[in-house]
Amino acid sequence: SQQGEEDPQALSIQEGENATMNCSYKTSINNLQWYRQNSGRGLVHLILIRSNEREKHSGRLRVTLDTSKKSSSLLITASRAADTASYFCATDDYSGYALNFGKGTSLLVTP
Amino acid sequence: GAGVSQSPSNKVTEKGKDVELRCDPISGHTALYWYRQSLGQGLEFLIYFQGNSAPDKSGLPSDRFSAERTGGSVSTLTIQRTQQEDSAVYLCASSLHTGDYNSPLHFGNGTRLTVT
Repeated sequence: SQQGEEDPQALSIQEGENATMNCSYKTSINNLQWYRQNSGRGLVHLILIRSNEREKHSGRLRVTLDTSKKSSSLLITASRAADTASYFCATDDYSGYALNFGKGTSLLVTP
Repeated sequence: GAGVSQSPSNKVTEKGKDVELRCDPISGHTALYWYRQSLGQGLEFLIYFQGNSAPDKSGLPSDRFSAERTGGSVSTLTIQRTQQEDSAVYLCASSLHTGDYNSPLHFGNGTRLTVT
């Protein structure tokens, strides 16, 4: 089942701007992960945030998690054309087995 | 080291034929997953293997779909009597799932299946 739902579905920005993507989910989780997918490729893990964490940073990425609202956001600062990709959030549905992915946000960064 | 390898990268088959998709996970990864991604859609969970435990087949869409994992390593996803709606990209992923639910997944580049 798809638990995560990303918003917006598509986002177009210019290089240097920040990109913010949101993810909402339905049930309790152990952790939430963000992945990136370039066209025609598999998904690449970006960052993981545990349910007891509220914010996490990795390079130009900042992830927040609000378990009371069952939502997360991914911020990419100072975006580059190479950031153009689809971004997916994934949750573990608390069972700890299969990750449930949303439909993704398609990000286009233009020079 | 080598990442997750999937073969073939592309497969075109006629409706009604059987297909086999192969996945070589990262060495030492105990967990293996199959997902399906239709055009413009998210990932649909199909099946999960963890060590020697019975697989979680709850995501398989019909009894035409089956998967096995031999020796805790290579996995094969088989689709029998393929239908046009089976056309999608089939993604395999592996992880170091050791009871810690926080292991990231490492994905292959997928097999693009087209049923004509």
